[in-house]
Amino acid sequence: AQSVTQPDIHITVSEGASLELRCNYSYGATPYLFWYVQSPGQGLQLLLKYFSGDTLVQGIKGFEAEFKRSQSSFNLRKPSVHWSDAAEYFCAGGSQGNLIFGKGTKLSVKP
Amino acid sequence: ETGVTQSPTHLIKTRGQQVTLRCSSQSGHNTVSWYQQALGQGPQFIFQYYREEENGRGNFPPRFSGLQFPNYSSELNVNALELDDSALYLCASSLVEGVLHFGNGTRLTVT
Repeated sequence: AQSVTQPDIHITVSEGASLELRCNYSYGATPYLFWYVQSPGQGLQLLLKYFSGDTLVQGIKGFEAEFKRSQSSFNLRKPSVHWSDAAEYFCAGGSQGNLIFGKGTKLSVKP
Repeated sequence: ETGVTQSPTHLIKTRGQQVTLRCSSQSGHNTVSWYQQALGQGPQFIFQYYREEENGRGNFPPRFSGLQFPNYSSELNVNALELDDSALYLCASSLVEGVLHFGNGTRLTVT
């Protein structure tokens, strides 16, 4: 069955530290892959997407993600976290609007 | 450019009642998808409409139904509400395959 797994439910990092959020997918073929961010009480905002081509994709707000086929992973990274990055992050895969989302990773940022 | 708007923002219903949630797509987007996000979970795909026709459905019972109108706005209808239907309902519109633009959602509470 197709699935997207985010192994970390909650991560806390210090402001200015680097960040990596993990995402693994299970699909018959390489799906389209996405990272979305959700602030409390809000909808989801697209951070970045991978369709094909270059496996390192750049997104908004200084985020990037790397697609690794051999590891079935699409981890999200940011070199220096800001307090405003505190939110919930969702990895998703699929196509044609039918996305399968992971359960999310809540990011807390400490001063 | 107007984004995706959803109404109402909050709604309280009693078990067994029916509810209609509304969504106005981002300008020019001809596809709308609906997702259910239970507390602490990632969004789950309910269904998608393309040019007023259902174009894919997730694992939701028939009491979840939808409509898309010629102006691409959309409704989600849920009959015979159950307590487990309490969730954030997210509408997303798209033009390019897979790139969803989400509204802020409708928080439905069933008592």
